[in-house]
Amino acid sequence: QSVLTQPPSVSAAPGQKVTISCSGSSSNIGNNYVSWYQQLPGTAPKLLIYENNKRPSGIPDRFSGSKSGTSATLGITGLQTGDEADYYCGTWDSSLSVWVFGGGTKLTVL
Amino acid sequence: EVQLVESGGGLVKPGRSLRLSCTASGFTFGDYAMSWFRQAPGKGLEWVGFIRSKAYGGTTEYAASVKGRFTISRDDSKSIAYLQMNSLKTEDTAVYYCTRGYCGGDCYSLDWFDPWGQGTLVTVSS
Repeated sequence: QSVLTQPPSVSAAPGQKVTISCSGSSSNIGNNYVSWYQQLPGTAPKLLIYENNKRPSGIPDRFSGSKSGTSATLGITGLQTGDEADYYCGTWDSSLSVWVFGGGTKLTVL
Repeated sequence: EVQLVESGGGLVKPGRSLRLSCTASGFTFGDYAMSWFRQAPGKGLEWVGFIRSKAYGGTTEYAASVKGRFTISRDDSKSIAYLQMNSLKTEDTAVYYCTRGYCGGDCYSLDWFDPWGQGTLVTVSS
């Protein structure tokens, strides 16, 4: 059971938009930065979004992040088949003093 | 190019020890926190622990599942982070990743991780 809650899967057609939610509490998302990671099949995770809504160099602006209260959202527009991957949200939990992840969301581009 | 390369994985019997290494290049290793993660087959990501830079005391934090069995250390002169794993259990079987960690002002907590190494597989089985 993950501390952060993500939907197990989402799907959408190429060119469409999808959002992935990440729900937590005041001890984690509510008071700390959220980051998002993309894990393509058979590869290592890659940073997509940091500090709630910032994109590292090289990440296209099709990817966006937001945070409100104890929830965060990853948005992906103009979906491509190459976006099919597992997506994880993560943050520090101040009560547990550990890093916590969501269980991951599998994105299927139909 | 910033790069992290893990090594040292393999097959080990329950109760034994194994040490993983993470060799860094392309950045000033000593300025950063370093963290380890793992991913059991078919499962999600799990944080293992991290070590602060010497500027913040070089202290460590661990997940409850490995505390007391695993130790993270660093050799800034060689740009290597280590994960010493003792009393291994079958449930420690996973791909282990090292990452560069970005932490808040006092480095009490971690904010994000980039880049990630390619991972090294540890299999604990008799």
